[in-house]
Amino acid sequence: ILNVEQSPQSLHVQEGDSTNFTCSFPSSNFYALHWYRWETAKSPEALFVMTLNGDEKKKGRISATLNTKEGYSYLYIKGSQPEDSATYLCALLGGNTPLVFGKGTRLSVIA
Amino acid sequence: NAGVTQTPKFQVLKTGQSMTLQCAQDMNHNSMYWYRQDPGMGLRLIYYSASEGTTDKGEVPNGYNVSRLNKREFSLRLESAAPSQTSVYFCASRQGVNEQFFGPGTRLTVL
Repeated sequence: ILNVEQSPQSLHVQEGDSTNFTCSFPSSNFYALHWYRWETAKSPEALFVMTLNGDEKKKGRISATLNTKEGYSYLYIKGSQPEDSATYLCALLGGNTPLVFGKGTRLSVIA
Repeated sequence: NAGVTQTPKFQVLKTGQSMTLQCAQDMNHNSMYWYRQDPGMGLRLIYYSASEGTTDKGEVPNGYNVSRLNKREFSLRLESAAPSQTSVYFCASRQGVNEQFFGPGTRLTVL
């Protein structure tokens, strides 16, 4: 059974701070690593899909890196804004199987 | 494209009643999924369909049945609703390693 761990579980930062979260996963049977942003009372929306070791992806102030050999991915948010408040989920695709989701990191950005 | 649509948005049932949650996607995706979201539990997979004509159990299938009616539609049925099935239900679809798209969710309360 694949296990995806995310840390920290929750995080409170001040507006303007930069922050990062970690996603750890078993490095065997790796196909892809997904990041999703999930705002309260909405549905998850994809941020990044990463497939290659060393991948770095960026969308505005949010970026992500991937290390498939050691089994981790980092999500960075530069200059956090209140609208960045959400739960950030990572999910592992280990083959022709459903995505395995972590429990998420809940980010609160205080103005 | 409408993406992934779900009906109904809200539903209140009495214990023992049955109902079917409908889901449709217009992106020609092979794989479709049903999740439930409960506080502190993240997203839990109920059932999935890797392709038209196949369905498989996820992490929490008890009390549910599914039908992959065609490539577009994947329904979730509660035969005899229980209070423990009070939750928010999300349908999702995906093609290969690409990003997963989620529907807007159905908020179900079982009294």
